Amino acid sequence: KQEVTQIPAALSVPEGENLVLNCSFTDSAIYNLQWFRQDPGKGLTSLLLIQSSQREQTSGRLNASLDKSSGRSTLYIAASQPGDSATYLCAVHTGTASKLTFGTGTRLQVTL
Amino acid sequence: GAVVSQHPSWVICKSGTSVKIECRSLDFQATTMFWYRQFPKQSLMLMATSNEGSKATYEQGVEKDKFLINHASLTLSTLTVTSAHPEDSSFYICSARDLQKSYEQYFGPGTRLTVT
Repeated sequence: KQEVTQIPAALSVPEGENLVLNCSFTDSAIYNLQWFRQDPGKGLTSLLLIQSSQREQTSGRLNASLDKSSGRSTLYIAASQPGDSATYLCAVHTGTASKLTFGTGTRLQVTL
Repeated sequence: GAVVSQHPSWVICKSGTSVKIECRSLDFQATTMFWYRQFPKQSLMLMATSNEGSKATYEQGVEKDKFLINHASLTLSTLTVTSAHPEDSSFYICSARDLQKSYEQYFGPGTRLTVT
């Protein structure tokens, strides 16, 4: 059974700092990995999707890497802003039914 | 593109009543839709996978007679919570998989259910 863990569970940084969020998964037989953002009481916003054959994806200030063999992914946020404050979830696609298994999430607070 | 809507966005109902939540893919066709439940400060847990024209597949521990899923068309899936109880209060989120894009899922905005 796939298990996804995210570290840290919560993080508070001052505005402007670069930061890294970590995601690990137990079964490396994944199709892809996706990072999401969730604001309080809201649905999910997809940030980046990395196919299993890729090593990284970039979108603006976000960069996600994937090391499939070791079961790890990182989300790098450059020059953090208060608007980046949210919960960040990683999820992996496994199995033929395209099931998504979500991580435990990292609650990020960027302070002024 | 790839917009998924849910209706209602929030609902309050009394214990023992049933509530229906709709999930629609607005600008693409989705053979498969997924229903998730999220309790406060917890991650999303997959409840069931809904395939157009066939019975839903439920995850272990999810009561299929309590959470009725219907996927009658390529753009609509419904989740009915029957005989709701306060412990069913949660945030329910659906997602839809685009036929043209393998494995990528698009998420709805969620429905907040409160059972009193």
